[in-house]
Amino acid sequence: AQSVTQPDIHITVSEGASLELRCNYSYGATPYLFWYVQSPGQGLQLLLKYFSGDTLVQGIKGFEAEFKRSQSSFNLRKPSVHWSDAAEYFCAVGGDSSYKLIFGSGTRLLVRP
Amino acid sequence: DAGVIQSPRHEVTEMGQEVTLRCKPISGHDYLFWYRQTMMRGLELLIYFNNNVPIDDSGMPEDRFSAKMPNASFSTLKIQPSEPRDSAVYFCASRQTSNTGELFFGEGSRLTVL
Repeated sequence: AQSVTQPDIHITVSEGASLELRCNYSYGATPYLFWYVQSPGQGLQLLLKYFSGDTLVQGIKGFEAEFKRSQSSFNLRKPSVHWSDAAEYFCAVGGDSSYKLIFGSGTRLLVRP
Repeated sequence: DAGVIQSPRHEVTEMGQEVTLRCKPISGHDYLFWYRQTMMRGLELLIYFNNNVPIDDSGMPEDRFSAKMPNASFSTLKIQPSEPRDSAVYFCASRQTSNTGELFFGEGSRLTVL
């Protein structure tokens, strides 16, 4: 079955600290992987995506993610968090034969001043 | 570009009433998706269209829900009759075939059914 697991419901970090949000997926074919961010009252915005090639992908707002096929993971990282990064983050998986994206349950990031 | 436009942003209605949510996708996008977001179930895909044709409606919860896309620039999601458990944020998203996977989301319609 196709699924995405984000094991952390909430994460709190101090401003300036590093961040890693976890994402594990189950997908029968070659996965296309995405991270989206949702600010309160807003829709989802794409941070970055992985289709093929270099397993370390760079996104907007200083985020990056690394695809690890052996671990079925696509963790999101940022070296130094800003207060404006407080939001909910969603990992999603799709495939070239499917136009559907399956979303994880989300991780809410809180940033301490 | 204007982005995906949804209306209304907020809707409060009473149980049994008909609700219609509207979406204008980004011009040139040939796929349109309706998602529902709740605390309990997260983001669920309800239905999606390609070139105005419904492709997969397996996520539509029951017959009370229906969606149409009469042309490339407009889609509706209708709930009739509405129930309190339909309370959620409903998102519309669109994409181009050439831009694999990347969805552009509207700001959502928050529905409250009393």
